[in-house]
Amino acid sequence: AQSVAQPEDQVNVAEGNPLTVKCTYSVSGNPYLFWYVQYPNRGLQFLLKYITGDNLVKGSYGFEAEFNKSQTSFHLKKPSALVSDSALYFCAVRDGLRGSTLGRLYFGRGTQLTVWP
Amino acid sequence: GAVVSQHPSRVICKSGTSVKIECRSLDFQATTMFWYRQFPKQSLMLMATSNEGSKATYEQGVEKDKFLINHASLTLSTLTVTSAHPEDSSFYICSATTQGETQYFGPGTRLLVL
Repeated sequence: AQSVAQPEDQVNVAEGNPLTVKCTYSVSGNPYLFWYVQYPNRGLQFLLKYITGDNLVKGSYGFEAEFNKSQTSFHLKKPSALVSDSALYFCAVRDGLRGSTLGRLYFGRGTQLTVWP
Repeated sequence: GAVVSQHPSRVICKSGTSVKIECRSLDFQATTMFWYRQFPKQSLMLMATSNEGSKATYEQGVEKDKFLINHASLTLSTLTVTSAHPEDSSFYICSATTQGETQYFGPGTRLLVL
């Protein structure tokens, strides 16, 4: 079964500092991993994904994530945080592409990122 | 590209009425759409998976007669909350995908049942 863990409910960082939002996963096959961001009262916005290839994946708004197979992690990173990055971040792993639940996502519980000026 | 819209964005209704929420993929054809429910400060809870032209697959504990899902075309899925009650008040979010690739999410619908 697929599952995702985001060990931190909250991450606080000063503007301009690097940020990391942690994610570990458990899958029964090849991992297909995603990061989404949610602003208040809005849907989720896609940031980036890892399917195959380079372990370092670059995404939207300057975010990147590093896939680490041995540690089963997919941490989200940004070299220099902005106040506008403050939001709720979700890590997700995708189910297989068979059957009626094609491409189902399993979400972590979310990490609230706060960037203060 | 990959824009998903939802309508309405917010709805307030009386207990016992039915509410229909539309989810549209605006610039791509969605073979599969998903409906989620989100409680405050919590993760998304998958309610059902909807494939175009076939019956939706509901998650355990989700009443299919309560939450009617129709996926009549490759760009439109609807969720109807029948005989809504205050406990159905929530934030409902849809997502759409083509061939199981990246899911793109709608902006969500805030439902308040009085």
